[in-house]
Amino acid sequence: GDSVTQTEGLVTVTEGLPVKLNCTYQTTYLTIAFFWYVQYLNEAPQVLLKSSTDNKRTEHQGFHATLHKSSSSFHLQKSSAQLSDSALYYCALPNASSGSWQLIFGSGTQLTVMP
Amino acid sequence: ETAVFQTPNYHVTQVGNEVSFNCKQTLGHDTMYWYKQDSKKLLKIMFSYNNKQLIVNETVPRRFSPQSSDKAHLNLRIKSVEPEDSAVYLCASSRDRGDTEVFFGKGTRLTVV
Repeated sequence: GDSVTQTEGLVTVTEGLPVKLNCTYQTTYLTIAFFWYVQYLNEAPQVLLKSSTDNKRTEHQGFHATLHKSSSSFHLQKSSAQLSDSALYYCALPNASSGSWQLIFGSGTQLTVMP
Repeated sequence: ETAVFQTPNYHVTQVGNEVSFNCKQTLGHDTMYWYKQDSKKLLKIMFSYNNKQLIVNETVPRRFSPQSSDKAHLNLRIKSVEPEDSAVYLCASSRDRGDTEVFFGKGTRLTVV
């Protein structure tokens, strides 16, 4: 079945340095969108980035990600991490194998930005 | 801006009790979901529901059941809670399309003692 893999459970980075969160996926369906969600402490998960186009860079709030269907990847990057970026990040893809659209999430990456 | 509202925020109960959590969305979406976020922060879908069908994740124990009065409300009932049910339960909604965002509530944290 479809799956999303986030290899890092915890990432710690110093403020001002670049950060990269990895996401790869496996799908047997024609998936038309890929997402990164962010969850701040005691808040609801919310969409950070969405991409539907292969090899096109998508940016939001200083983060960027490029969907690469050839390598089944959708990594999240930021050139200069900020303290406020500390949060839980999920990669997700929609799946309709059950007959209705559902989001499948990766295991999440906890990002901590240190001063 | 919150558009998916969940109550209560927290609930502590004893093993064997029945609990119910409420969820309402004001986005006019036709599909609602319940997700479970466990202690390792894994997000797993439990149910998806729209006016056409209820989809149940096959791993969800039978003591869990969704209850809907209309497309804006989807409650979750747990008949006889067990310790492994301690988690955050997140309600969400979306349009029934593959490229659309899913909007989440803040969750109900359940602790079973």
